[in-house]
Amino acid sequence: KAGVTQTPRYLIKTRGQQVTLSCSPISGHRSVSWYQQTPGQGLQFLFEYFSETQRNKGNFPGRFSGRQFSNSRSEMNVSTLELGDSALYLCASSLGVARGQDEQYFGPGTRLTVT
Amino acid sequence: SQQGEEDPQALSIQEGENATMNCSYKTSINNLQWYRQNSGRGLVHLILIRSNEREKHSGRLRVTLDTSKKSSSLLITASRAADTASYFCATDASGSSYKLIFGSGTRLLVRP
Repeated sequence: KAGVTQTPRYLIKTRGQQVTLSCSPISGHRSVSWYQQTPGQGLQFLFEYFSETQRNKGNFPGRFSGRQFSNSRSEMNVSTLELGDSALYLCASSLGVARGQDEQYFGPGTRLTVT
Repeated sequence: SQQGEEDPQALSIQEGENATMNCSYKTSINNLQWYRQNSGRGLVHLILIRSNEREKHSGRLRVTLDTSKKSSSLLITASRAADTASYFCATDASGSSYKLIFGSGTRLLVRP
């Protein structure tokens, strides 16, 4: 079974631009979560989608948004990029139906650098 | 904000020794998970322990959970150089099982 895939793996953008990251979950997984990892703040939850609906949201500004498609693939978008958005963005997938029992499987991440 | 802290922040041991990492958290949980991350790559799921479990084993890994103290420990026995990585605990915020809150991580170095 193929793992979680994320594209692109590396990205360099300029302040003020916007960026879209993509995540393909493990086949059969309907929940996709996004996390941001930085040296200063560590791993922080962005949002989680299940069956095309945002089910949970972290404490990030509205510049961070996401969506999920009917095939469970997910995208996240960051508009008006700031230097502080430079981070490793991780996507995780899980079955999403067994509360408290689901293991989350992470992709390799997209490393975003904002200059 | 992070749910809890991990202790120690960094650990250096000789190959063959055991490594113990501790994690503390703040709110009630449904489960606690441990992950490994190699040098800026994705996270690898190691083990999940439910709130009604006290101990769980997987290969060379042993995880304990003490909900009364809101703490967990990860023991890696007979460590290998390939175990060098950062280790994170993650809990599900109460009522939000798909929102993992991660600890700050322990950087483990296993010297050959």
